[in-house]
Amino acid sequence: EPEVTQTPSHQVTQMGQEVILRCVPISNHLYFYWYRQILGQKVEFLVSFYNNEISEKSEIFDDQFSVERPDGSNFTLKIRSTKLEDSAMYFCASKIGRLNTEAFFGQGTRLTVV
Amino acid sequence: QKEVEQDPGPLSVPEGAIVSLNCTYSNSAFQYFMWYRQYSRKGPELLMYTYSSGNKEDGRFTAQVDKSSKYISLFIRDSQPSDSATYLCAANSGGGADGLTFGKGTHLIIQP
Repeated sequence: EPEVTQTPSHQVTQMGQEVILRCVPISNHLYFYWYRQILGQKVEFLVSFYNNEISEKSEIFDDQFSVERPDGSNFTLKIRSTKLEDSAMYFCASKIGRLNTEAFFGQGTRLTVV
Repeated sequence: QKEVEQDPGPLSVPEGAIVSLNCTYSNSAFQYFMWYRQYSRKGPELLMYTYSSGNKEDGRFTAQVDKSSKYISLFIRDSQPSDSATYLCAANSGGGADGLTFGKGTHLIIQP
């Protein structure tokens, strides 16, 4: 069964460093998302991406964050200068089309900023 | 205000019981409602989604939406220990790239 895959599963980084989280969405999906979940908190929407550009972003997604689809399969989230409060699970999700609202999530990358 | 509220629990019931999980929301623009199951430190897994008001059944699971009261429910019949997980409700307006607004999740424990 097709699935969203994320790498790495766990990333430890020092405060101030740049990190790139990687995702391979389901191959025929057109809409891509990043969410985060701070331990014990809600899953929060960060950004959506369609047709090679950002469609929507939350107030969490500030200038420290960027997304890219560098090729036909990968979708990345970059955090330029990590802060302690960026420590969270980051989930990538994808859905097939505009009217289909079934978004499928990856297993997540646990980011720990020390 | 885009919020979805959900009692975090934990909710502990004996095996075989009917489980009722609930959420409320405040945004009238929400049209699509989902239930996800999440195991510890794993990604949310889509269980069911419904459009607007009404019921949807899939095996032991039934999802209900009452838009007049802004109330979302998930019922699990004949609950099993393997159903123990955190259940997240989520909603959006359904438009294109609209992100999901999640509840905090209810931690469900099915006792053997």
